Amino acid sequence: SQKIEQNSEALNIQEGKTATLTCNYTNYSPAYLQWYRQDPGRGPVFLLLIRENEKEKRKERLKVTFDTTLKQSLFHITASQPADSATYLCPVPGSARQLTFGSGTQLTVLP
Amino acid sequence: DAGVIQSPRHEVTEMGQEVTLRCKPISGHNSLFWYRQTMMRGLELLIYFNNNVPIDDSGMPEDRFSAKMPNASFSTLKIQPSEPRDSAVYFCASRRETGSRRNTIYFGEGSWLTVV
Repeated sequence: SQKIEQNSEALNIQEGKTATLTCNYTNYSPAYLQWYRQDPGRGPVFLLLIRENEKEKRKERLKVTFDTTLKQSLFHITASQPADSATYLCPVPGSARQLTFGSGTQLTVLP
Repeated sequence: DAGVIQSPRHEVTEMGQEVTLRCKPISGHNSLFWYRQTMMRGLELLIYFNNNVPIDDSGMPEDRFSAKMPNASFSTLKIQPSEPRDSAVYFCASRRETGSRRNTIYFGEGSWLTVV
C-alpha cells in the first residue's frame, strides 16, 4: 500500500521567511498530489492540486512542485505570516482515488 | 452552499454504549468518506462510499464499527459497543466525481468523541 512521509512533524520559521514542507511517497505513482491545510478543531481544507505532468503550481503565496522521479512534492509558503500557522497535509490518492493522509507537518510562523 | 454537516459535534459516552455519528454530504457529491483522527495515528480512512455503495472498508478497525449510507444525502457511522480507545475526532467528507474539482474532497467540522 502507498505510504506518505512528511519531512517533519513540526516546523518553526520566522515571519517573512519561506516555509518549505516536503512530502515523500512510496509504492505508488500517483497521477496527482494535493495539499490540504488543517487548523486546530477544524476539518482539513483543500489548497492546491498538482498533476504529474506539471512541474509547478502557484496560488498567491503558495507554490507546489511535483518530482515524479524523486517521488516527492514540495510545498512552499513565501513571505510567511503567523496566520499561516497550521498543519499541512499531503494525501496520496489510492487506486479508487480514496485519499490516504499522513500525520502532516505542523507549521508555526513566529512573529 | 452548505458544506458537509456532521452531528453531534461533541459526544461524551460511557464505555459499552452505542455511538452513532451522522453525516450529510454536500448536495450533488457522489462519494462519501469517513475518517478518524488521533494524535498517535493521524488521519485514517475508515470507509469510502461511491453512489451509496461501500467501495473500500479496509480501514474499519473492528466489527464494532459499522457504516451505512441509505441514500445520497445521509450516512451514519456506528460504534457498538464503544471503548475508550475509540476516542478521536471522526470526520466525514464528500466529493463530486465529475467536473473540474472531482479530485477534491470537502471535510465536515468533525465529531469529537470521548469514551470514558
